Amino acid sequence: SQTIHQWPATLVQPVGSPLSLECTVEGTSNPNLYWYRQAAGRGLQLLFYSVGIGQISSEVPQNLSASRPQDRQFILSSKKLLLSDSGFYLCAWRAGTEYFSYEQYFGPGTRLTVT
Amino acid sequence: QQQVKQSPQSLIVQKGGISIINCAYENTAFDYFPWYQQFPGKGPALLIAIRPDVSEKKEGRFTISFNKSAKQFSLHIMDSQPGDSATYFCAASMLPGGTSYGKLTFGQGTILTVHP
Repeated sequence: SQTIHQWPATLVQPVGSPLSLECTVEGTSNPNLYWYRQAAGRGLQLLFYSVGIGQISSEVPQNLSASRPQDRQFILSSKKLLLSDSGFYLCAWRAGTEYFSYEQYFGPGTRLTVT
Repeated sequence: QQQVKQSPQSLIVQKGGISIINCAYENTAFDYFPWYQQFPGKGPALLIAIRPDVSEKKEGRFTISFNKSAKQFSLHIMDSQPGDSATYFCAASMLPGGTSYGKLTFGQGTILTVHP
């Protein structure tokens, strides 16, 4: 079966510090991967998605970047955090090799607080 | 045109009652409509989903009703239980092929509270 991991689970960082959040998926190959941000416990905003190694698409201009160094690894980064970067960051995956596979599954999330 | 509008924002139901959450969309290219359940501090979990070729899908106490002409769909939770208390999100996406890549557009969420 497939599982998705995110770490860390919680993170408190000062303004201006760097950020690295990691997401890994097990039990599947060539997944589509997604980063979402959820503010104040409501509404998920898609930040980035990736259909393969090194292939990243950004949905909104922001202070964040994403990378996919391996097939099942997705990383969210920032060089200098802003207060507005606080939120709940969620990684999700979809079976990329199956054309009609719509289902998207979420990881446990990372709670980021920028102080 | 990419928006999905969800209502109500919050809902209080007595145990054993029926919870109904509604969503409306504008983009007729949307081809898949899932509902997610999220407990505090957890990631959303896929609850039930429907494609436009059917008007209703039922899984246990959860039912999706879909009205293609009105561009609306709803989640019905029968015999609501305190354990159902969570935030529910509707979403929509286009066919994963092409340039959509299965991206989901989410509603703003409904906080459901089921009183014992």
